[in-house]
Amino acid sequence: SQTIHQWPATLVQPVGSPLSLECTVEGTSNPNLYWYRQAAGRGLQLLFYSVGIGQISSEVPQNLSASRPQDRQFILSSKKLLLSDSGFYLCAWRWTGGNTEAFFGQGTRLTVV
Amino acid sequence: GESVGLHLPTLSVQEGDNSIINCAYSNSASDYFIWYKQESGKGPQFIIDIRSNMDKRQGQRVTVLLNKTVKHLSLQIAATQPGDSAVYFCAENGPGAGYALNFGKGTSLLVTP
Repeated sequence: SQTIHQWPATLVQPVGSPLSLECTVEGTSNPNLYWYRQAAGRGLQLLFYSVGIGQISSEVPQNLSASRPQDRQFILSSKKLLLSDSGFYLCAWRWTGGNTEAFFGQGTRLTVV
Repeated sequence: GESVGLHLPTLSVQEGDNSIINCAYSNSASDYFIWYKQESGKGPQFIIDIRSNMDKRQGQRVTVLLNKTVKHLSLQIAATQPGDSAVYFCAENGPGAGYALNFGKGTSLLVTP
């Protein structure tokens, strides 16, 4: 069976510090991978997606970047965090084709202070 | 732009009653829809999906109805239980090549005893 792991679960970082959130998927190959951000009481905003190793598409301009160094590894990064980067970050994967559900990790609660 | 949205931000129902959560979508070319349940501090969990060639699909205590004429989607939960209390999102395939899901803002369902 497939599983998705996302860590850390919570993170408190000072403004201006770097960020690295990691997500890994097990039990499948060549998945589509996604990073979403969710503000409190709001819906999910797509940040990045990847259809293959080294292929990253950004949906919104921001202070964040993503990388996919391995087939089942997706990393969300920032060189210098802003207060506005606070939020709930969710990693997800999906089989290619677009007619199945996306599977989500448990999320990372990031608070920038 | 095209979007997926929800009619009601909050819904309060009594335990044992049926719940109906509504969703409107604007992209008439959408071919796949999903309902997710999200509990506080957790990632969204898949509930049920439906393809555009169907009008209705049933699961365990849940039914999704799709009305393509008015671009409306609904989730019906039978005999609502306290454990059903959560935020519910509808989602559709986005237009990008990565098949990312576009999410609505969510409806908070509160089940009272």
